[in-house]
Amino acid sequence: DAGITQSPRHKVTETGTPVTLRCHQTENHRYMYWYRQDPGHGLRLIHYSYGVKDTDKGEVSDGYSVSRSKTEDFLLTLESATSSQTSVYFCAISVLRGRPNYGYTFGSGTRLTVV
Amino acid sequence: AQKITQTQPGMFVQEKEAVTLDCTYDTSDQSYGLFWYKQPSSGEMIFLIYQGSYDEQNATEGRYSLNFQKARKSANLVISASQLGDSAMYFCAMRARDQGGKLIFGQGTELSVKP
Repeated sequence: DAGITQSPRHKVTETGTPVTLRCHQTENHRYMYWYRQDPGHGLRLIHYSYGVKDTDKGEVSDGYSVSRSKTEDFLLTLESATSSQTSVYFCAISVLRGRPNYGYTFGSGTRLTVV
Repeated sequence: AQKITQTQPGMFVQEKEAVTLDCTYDTSDQSYGLFWYKQPSSGEMIFLIYQGSYDEQNATEGRYSLNFQKARKSANLVISASQLGDSAMYFCAMRARDQGGKLIFGQGTELSVKP
């Protein structure tokens, strides 16, 4: 199975401070995604990447930026954290579309609290 | 616009009984994929089952089956012989063709299995 690691796993930060979350994969998969999970909303796409330096916005991209300077790392930055960005953040990669999971592997998630 | 709707925020089922979790979707694409994920209290996203829009038979994976009704745009998950370990959040998701491989998620259904 593709290795995907998110860091940190938990973070508490103050309103107005910048925060960067990291997603690291151990294989050269092209597509990487950042989602946020909130009660009642499921997972919503923030940004995604289809290659080094190639990124695009998702449905809830306001207040977030991303960077992908090398294939294995996809960074999510909150430029100035707000309480509304308190959430659980998941990174995902798109792998081969066949079995066993038909294309996606998720990281373990980062629980971010903005106080 | 593509959308996934799960209308059951929470459900209860007696252990060893079957349960159906509802999912409807909206898309104008002819080619798409439908997924179900389980999220236990530990937080990880666990792939359960996949159905392609051109698959003629309903997908099955052990105790999980997907009741795919294309004309009604529904993709309900059926869990047979519920177990206590099935208590979790369940998410329906759709991957549309030519959408950067993005997954669109429903709001989720919290399933509680009673002993």
